[in-house]
Amino acid sequence: GENVEQHPSTLSVQEGDSAVIKCTYSDSASNYFPWYKQELGKRPQLIIDIRSNVGEKKDQRIAVTLNKTAKHFSLHITETQPEDSAVYFCAAKITGGGNKLTFGTGTQLKVEL
Amino acid sequence: DAGVIQSPRHEVTEMGQEVTLRCKPISGHDYLFWYRQTMMRGLELLIYFNNNVPIDDSGMPEDRFSAKMPNASFSTLKIQPSEPRDSAVYFCASSYQGSGNTIYFGEGSWLTVV
Repeated sequence: GENVEQHPSTLSVQEGDSAVIKCTYSDSASNYFPWYKQELGKRPQLIIDIRSNVGEKKDQRIAVTLNKTAKHFSLHITETQPEDSAVYFCAAKITGGGNKLTFGTGTQLKVEL
Repeated sequence: DAGVIQSPRHEVTEMGQEVTLRCKPISGHDYLFWYRQTMMRGLELLIYFNNNVPIDDSGMPEDRFSAKMPNASFSTLKIQPSEPRDSAVYFCASSYQGSGNTIYFGEGSWLTVV
């Protein structure tokens, strides 16, 4: 089955700096890659996603890039703010695998003042 | 829509007791997922249903766990008997094939087995 690895497990940045979180996946049949943000005590919520026919997608301060050849994708947050502090999860879905997502292990992002 | 609704939000139970977690997916969604979240293992998919039919239950840890979806608007996850290692947050989530795979999570059920 699909295996998703995520790095780093913790990330601390100064407010205003950029943050990058990286994920790799194992199954070349994966075609959908969402990112979820989970604040303490809350549910995971989708913040951005990308499909395998697109190399990059941007939404205000967040962007995701996908390298299908290398089987990795990354989340980029620019001009970080304290409210960006949360756990971020990447995930992957295999073509024909229903809507089943396999999640990475999460990155605890802390934005310091 | 109210989103995915789970109950109870918090439960503390004694080892050996039966626990039943409930979920109401978003109306019109045809996929329902049960995830378990712990510090050690992260987000694990336990089982998922499509049109009320279980598709993949390979993540269900053992026979103590069972899940049902009797209709499109209700699902249960049952643990019997419960053990302290079952303590975790259990998330129900749903999605619609036509929505481009976006999965929406409920608020979670925080289970503590003492």
